[in-house]
Amino acid sequence: GENVEQHPSTLSVQEGDSAVIKCTYSDSASNYFPWYKQELGKRPQLIIDIRSNVGEKKDQRIAVTLNKTAKHFSLHITETQPEDSAVYFCAARPPGYGQNFVFGPGTRLSVLP
Amino acid sequence: KAGVTQTPRYLIKTRGQQVTLSCSPISGHRSVSWYQQTPGQGLQFLFEYFSETQRNKGNFPGRFSGRQFSNSRSEMNVSTLELGDSALYLCASSFGGTSEETQYFGPGTRLLVL
Repeated sequence: GENVEQHPSTLSVQEGDSAVIKCTYSDSASNYFPWYKQELGKRPQLIIDIRSNVGEKKDQRIAVTLNKTAKHFSLHITETQPEDSAVYFCAARPPGYGQNFVFGPGTRLSVLP
Repeated sequence: KAGVTQTPRYLIKTRGQQVTLSCSPISGHRSVSWYQQTPGQGLQFLFEYFSETQRNKGNFPGRFSGRQFSNSRSEMNVSTLELGDSALYLCASSFGGTSEETQYFGPGTRLLVL
């Protein structure tokens, strides 16, 4: 079955710097890759997603890139702010899995003022 | 449009008891999925319901079950609770029509088993 790895597990950056989180997946037929942000005690919130027919997508300070050949995708956050501090999860949706995801283990991002 | 809601938000049970959790999806969404979140295992898929039928199932024991009603609301039941069932249980909803849809999560029910 699908397996999603995520690195790093923790990441500390200075406010204003960029942060990059990388994920790899194992099932080449997976076709949808969302990123969720989960603040302490809150629900996971979708921040950006990418579909398998797209290589890159950007939304203000957040961008995601997808390399289907290498089976990896990355989250890029520029000009980080303290409110970006949270746990970020990548996920993949393999075929035959319905609406559901296999999640990476998460990255705890700390943005230091 | 109201988001996904879950009740109760917090629950304390003892080993051997059973528990029922409830999830109301976003209006118009017909797919409801359940996930278990723990510090050690992360977010793991339990099962998905669509149009009152279980459509997909993760790798959890039969003590975990669910159902969906005609209004798309879903319940999850855990019988014979074990200490390891302590977790945040999240439900997520989507329209359920294609494999490229987003899932929206509820706030979760935090279950503590003593």
